[in-house]
Amino acid sequence: RKEVEQDPGPFNVPEGATVAFNCTYSNSASQSFFWYRQDCRKEPKLLMSVYSSGNEDGRFTAQLNRASQYISLLIRDSKLSDSATYLCVVNRAGGFKTIFGAGTRLFVKA
Amino acid sequence: EAQVTQNPRYLITVTGKKLTVTCSQNMNHEYMSWYRQDPGLGLRQIYYSMNVEVTDKGDVPEGYKVSRKEKRNFPLILESPSPNQTSLYFCASSLSLAAQPQHFGDGTRLSIL
Repeated sequence: RKEVEQDPGPFNVPEGATVAFNCTYSNSASQSFFWYRQDCRKEPKLLMSVYSSGNEDGRFTAQLNRASQYISLLIRDSKLSDSATYLCVVNRAGGFKTIFGAGTRLFVKA
Repeated sequence: EAQVTQNPRYLITVTGKKLTVTCSQNMNHEYMSWYRQDPGLGLRQIYYSMNVEVTDKGDVPEGYKVSRKEKRNFPLILESPSPNQTSLYFCASSLSLAAQPQHFGDGTRLSIL
């Protein structure tokens, strides 16, 4: 079993839709959590950190459930430009090692 | 401009021929890391470095070496490349420990024949 698991998708949604991604992690000692975005053949870029209390950045909302060991990302009012692969990222306790999920592919269509 | 620079961007080479992928950052970051990305597997950490002369293995270190003689540079060395090391490689840096965001280089696509 992978340490960080994501539904690979693809998710195909129309513009304006709301879409949610989940990610589960197996190491209960995991310390910090993030969502990255990666465009095709490009480098990953931080989308947002994920805090226990939940956090929002414009159309994006991230949630963390430590008891169930999952992280979620909600995208509201999807734009064409949101089409990308979304990577769930977990730092192990101590913070030195970083584990990436394999990513969830999103296609937003007009 | 703050950046992480990797070279080369693309390389096709043959089994057993030693190669080095360079990585340099201009942000005075302490933490640097190398990843490889393969279809269906995502990014996997090869090695990381907490500071000058301090390095440690990630999850897939076999067949790779690194060094951190200066803060800005973190080269990845393949002493005897093999076809299973064909992959897309990313170097990343961040301010300290594994503080986010990690800034990534543009990637190096290696093909080992």
